[in-house]
Amino acid sequence: QVQLQESGPGVVEPSETLSLTCTVSGDSISRNYWSWIRQPPGRGLEWLGYISYSGNINYNPSLRSRVTISVDTSKNHFSLKLSSVTAADTAVYYCARETYYYDNVNYLGGYYLDYWGQGTLVTVSS
Amino acid sequence: SSELTQDPAVSVALGQTVRITCQGDSLRSYYASWYQQKPGQAPVVVIYGNNNRPSGIPDRFSGSRSGNTASLTITGAQAEDEADYYCNSRDSSGARLVFGGGTKLTVL
Repeated sequence: QVQLQESGPGVVEPSETLSLTCTVSGDSISRNYWSWIRQPPGRGLEWLGYISYSGNINYNPSLRSRVTISVDTSKNHFSLKLSSVTAADTAVYYCARETYYYDNVNYLGGYYLDYWGQGTLVTVSS
Repeated sequence: SSELTQDPAVSVALGQTVRITCQGDSLRSYYASWYQQKPGQAPVVVIYGNNNRPSGIPDRFSGSRSGNTASLTITGAQAEDEADYYCNSRDSSGARLVFGGGTKLTVL
């Protein structure tokens, strides 16, 4: 059974860097895509970025200048850093595995987030 | 703003059928996936690809696709289906993930 677990500080001061780690068990981080997603209180889901099985990294353009995702294959975990945080970055942060699916009948593919961490609330406050 | 558009709220009478839709140009190139999120919980995938349900998801949940619109249908809605529902896909370039704004489903 694949499991993901987020860890990191629950409170970050404004202008500092938010750092979280997602530890994966039951699968190798060298397969699939691994994403960070956040959800501000009472609002919708926002994708932050992913790292792929091949080491390709992609970020949400709206946050690209502040977000860094890295991976440590020896520990089977990947990490998120978000710099210069403000109150608007207060959110529940999730990590998730994304899997590719291909329909051989209709010749169409797609991705889906099949495993999620439980989420961790990060509050930006002094 | 989302590149996938959902109605903010939908309601359905207990036992009736409800359809939640998601529109976006990228859905012409990629299947959508659908997530159910209950308060205080992480999202759970209920439909992916061409109407695929992960194990443990009731068969009253189904999905379909037409042009740039993906739909999630709940046939015989139950009280426990009351939740927020999000659609998700890759963007038209395939490089980034996008989410719909979410639909709050109320079961009356």
